[in-house]
Amino acid sequence: GAGVSQSPRYKVTKRGQDVALRCDPISGHVSLYWYRQALGQGPEFLTYFNYEAQQDKSGLPNDRFSAERPEGSISTLTIQRTEQRDSAMYRCASSLSGTGLTSPLHFGNGTRLTVT
Amino acid sequence: RKEVEQDPGPFNVPEGATVAFNCTYSNSASQSFFWYRQDCRKEPKLLMSVYSSGNEDGRFTAQLNRASQYISLLIRDSKLSDSATYLCVVRTGGYQKVTFGTGTKLQVIP
Repeated sequence: GAGVSQSPRYKVTKRGQDVALRCDPISGHVSLYWYRQALGQGPEFLTYFNYEAQQDKSGLPNDRFSAERPEGSISTLTIQRTEQRDSAMYRCASSLSGTGLTSPLHFGNGTRLTVT
Repeated sequence: RKEVEQDPGPFNVPEGATVAFNCTYSNSASQSFFWYRQDCRKEPKLLMSVYSSGNEDGRFTAQLNRASQYISLLIRDSKLSDSATYLCVVRTGGYQKVTFGTGTKLQVIP
């Protein structure tokens, strides 16, 4: 597609349920990033991939969070046993270059997760 | 210390004013720098990259000071449409971790 696509746009789930958030990056983009953004705050880094390799997952808050990008394109961020504190906007971004340092990030519209 | 720090503001300035934001970063190995703009409830969008020699795009000027590890954004002749949150972004080489600051909110007043 023309831009980064995230689904669903909104997700309401009950505490304890698992959720899977999907990101479809811009075609041909090597790098894919996941961020979490609370209202009034900047995006908080979670993890990122170059192709299918997860290069850094230091931002994942705990082991309930995981991400994959098995074929180097679409990525899924999974949150197991959701808690209310997981409620936030989850944003995905992709960039063209896997080795260059100047490619900007292109963001999707985000998934608003609400845990009740 | 946070990897990227910004004054959250808000900066309330009248139309036509000049306003400047600074951002400091902690990792001296950081190699690429950007300013992003985020409108309320929208996704962040690239405003401009920041080059070592400094760069200008219309009313916007970005500068990098590696010795002091900060970047700046100057907006001249502020417009109402400039009201937004401005995010400082730092990319660290090697595997390219990209870190955002918390953002500086700008409100341009008629």
